[in-house]
Amino acid sequence: KAGVTQTPRYLIKTRGQQVTLSCSPISGHRSVSWYQQTPGQGLQFLFEYFSETQRNKGNFPGRFSGRQFSNSRSEMNVSTLELGDSALYLCASRFWGTPYNEQFFGPGTRLTVL
Amino acid sequence: DAKTTQPTSMDCAEGRAANLPCNHSTISGNEYVYWYRQIHSQGPQYIIHGLKNNETNEMASLIITEDRKSSTLILPHATLRDTAVYYCIAHLTYGGSQGNLIFGKGTKLSVKP
Repeated sequence: KAGVTQTPRYLIKTRGQQVTLSCSPISGHRSVSWYQQTPGQGLQFLFEYFSETQRNKGNFPGRFSGRQFSNSRSEMNVSTLELGDSALYLCASRFWGTPYNEQFFGPGTRLTVL
Repeated sequence: DAKTTQPTSMDCAEGRAANLPCNHSTISGNEYVYWYRQIHSQGPQYIIHGLKNNETNEMASLIITEDRKSSTLILPHATLRDTAVYYCIAHLTYGGSQGNLIFGKGTKLSVKP
């Protein structure tokens, strides 16, 4: 069974630009969550999508947004990039409707903002 | 979700058992304990979870104290590939919601030859 895939793996952008990251969940998983990981703040939850709807949101500014498609694939977008947005962006998929929160993470997208 | 406390770092000799402690003294009755690990530059990997009883799978064992205020993750025969940051998470779990795991700083486990 294929794991969670994320594209691109590496990205370099400049301040003020916007970026879109993509995540394909494990087949059969309908929930996708996004996390940001930085050396200073660690792993922080951005948002979770299920059935094309945002179900849960972390404490990030509105420049961070996401969406989910009918095939459960998800994208996240960061507009007006700032230097502090440089981070590893991880997505994770899981079954929805089970009592457990076993999440499967992708390898991440390393974003560098210059 | 309850706060968890873990040692910043630990060393373990290859082939020996690695015992990683976690304190979650404010855990509520319906919060599960989850363990994940993150090998350098990779996404976190789920290891195991439990509520009250001790649990074992192919990767590790989880021992939860009777009062549920602490737990220990045991890697029975640590290898160099087990070098990673290990996260203990207390998470309120119920069907169909709450995908937001709250990661702390974890324990950096170094397995040495």
